[in-house]
Amino acid sequence: NAGVTQTPKFQVLKTGQSMTLQCAQDMNHEYMSWYRQDPGMGLRLIHYSVGAGITDQGEVPNGYNVSRSTTEDFPLRLLSAAPSQTSVYFCASSNLGRKRSHEQYFGPGTRLTVT
Amino acid sequence: AQTVTQSQPEMSVQEAETVTLSCTYDTSESDYYLFWYKQPPSRQMILVIRQEAYKQQNATENRFSVNFQKAAKSFSLKISDSQLGDAAMYFCAFTSGTYKYIFGTGTRLKVLA
Repeated sequence: NAGVTQTPKFQVLKTGQSMTLQCAQDMNHEYMSWYRQDPGMGLRLIHYSVGAGITDQGEVPNGYNVSRSTTEDFPLRLLSAAPSQTSVYFCASSNLGRKRSHEQYFGPGTRLTVT
Repeated sequence: AQTVTQSQPEMSVQEAETVTLSCTYDTSESDYYLFWYKQPPSRQMILVIRQEAYKQQNATENRFSVNFQKAAKSFSLKISDSQLGDAAMYFCAFTSGTYKYIFGTGTRLKVLA
């Protein structure tokens, strides 16, 4: 099992550019989520999904779009990058079955810099 | 609103000694889950320990244990026999099962040889 994978690991964007951060998991988890990590602020939830075709907003959704067309993939789109979106982004997944542990499995993160 | 507070931005401990990291939370829910995650310099988030609110017994994983005080809404992590590899950022996290997870701001633990 690869677990949760994220690409790219590092990215530099210019203000106004768009891009997609990729996230995939091979554990057949229904729940997937995106966080951003900023110094002194911990991890903040951007968007999450409880299954294919179902997404919802987290704490800081503005400037980001998501979609979930398959169980495995949950891409995060930055429509028009801004310097305030410079951060480390984590994708995570969790099972929602009857024996749900509520534990999240995290990807390795993507460090994004917007200049 | 649900919140998680880690009031210690940084802690230090001598190798082989014991250290306790603090976490308090606020919720009106009665059923919820609490976690401690470790983030070493590699940036990978690693689950250290998990506690279900309905369980009165404190969770233990080898050298890691928690002191869960439900009435006080406190969830501290005790690391015994500290090792150099324990140096990392530690995050306390909460979920009430609504699919939203709340993280604290983290405590940086330094282990002194």
